[in-house]
Amino acid sequence: AQSVSQHNHHVILSEAASLELGCNYSYGGTVNLFWYVQYPGQHLQLLLKYFSGDPLVKGIKGFEAEFIKSKFSFNLRKPSVQWSDTAEYFCAVYGNNRLAFGKGNQVVVIP
Amino acid sequence: KAGVTQTPRYLIKTRGQQVTLSCSPISGHRSVSWYQQTPGQGLQFLFEYFSETQRNKGNFPGRFSGRQFSNSRSEMNVSTLELGDSALYLCASSLTRSTDTQYFGPGTRLTVL
Repeated sequence: AQSVSQHNHHVILSEAASLELGCNYSYGGTVNLFWYVQYPGQHLQLLLKYFSGDPLVKGIKGFEAEFIKSKFSFNLRKPSVQWSDTAEYFCAVYGNNRLAFGKGNQVVVIP
Repeated sequence: KAGVTQTPRYLIKTRGQQVTLSCSPISGHRSVSWYQQTPGQGLQFLFEYFSETQRNKGNFPGRFSGRQFSNSRSEMNVSTLELGDSALYLCASSLTRSTDTQYFGPGTRLTVL
């Protein structure tokens, strides 16, 4: 069965700082990877996804992620965060007809 | 296009009762998956329905069940509720099965007293 690890569950940073969230997955088949975001009081929304092709994927709100097959990683980045990026971020891998999620990163951006 | 809708949004039940949650997928989406979200376990897959058939099931006891109707709407049922069933239950829909992107609803917050 597939699994996802996310580290640094709580991240606090100031506006304009850069953000990088790590995601490592375990799955033996063809990977399809996702980052979802859950803003306070809102539902899970898709940030970006990787199915194939260019390993550098750009998503909404200035986020990007890089798929590194040799490291089984799919790290999320944003060069300059805003207060509105305060949210919980989830990495997920699709396999065996289901999404497996990591435990999430709670990100707090201080104005 | 309207998103995934879930009803009710909040629910309070007592131990031993049963509960039914409803999910309406995005128009045209035929696959519906259910997830349980708790602070301790995070997001865990419950089951997936496609063409009115359960195609996949996560590691949950038989008290958790569901069904899908011909219009792709889905319901999940939890019988003999336990305190540990308190969670946010999320429904996600996608056009088809396999690797298609799943879009999530706002969830139903179930509290078991």
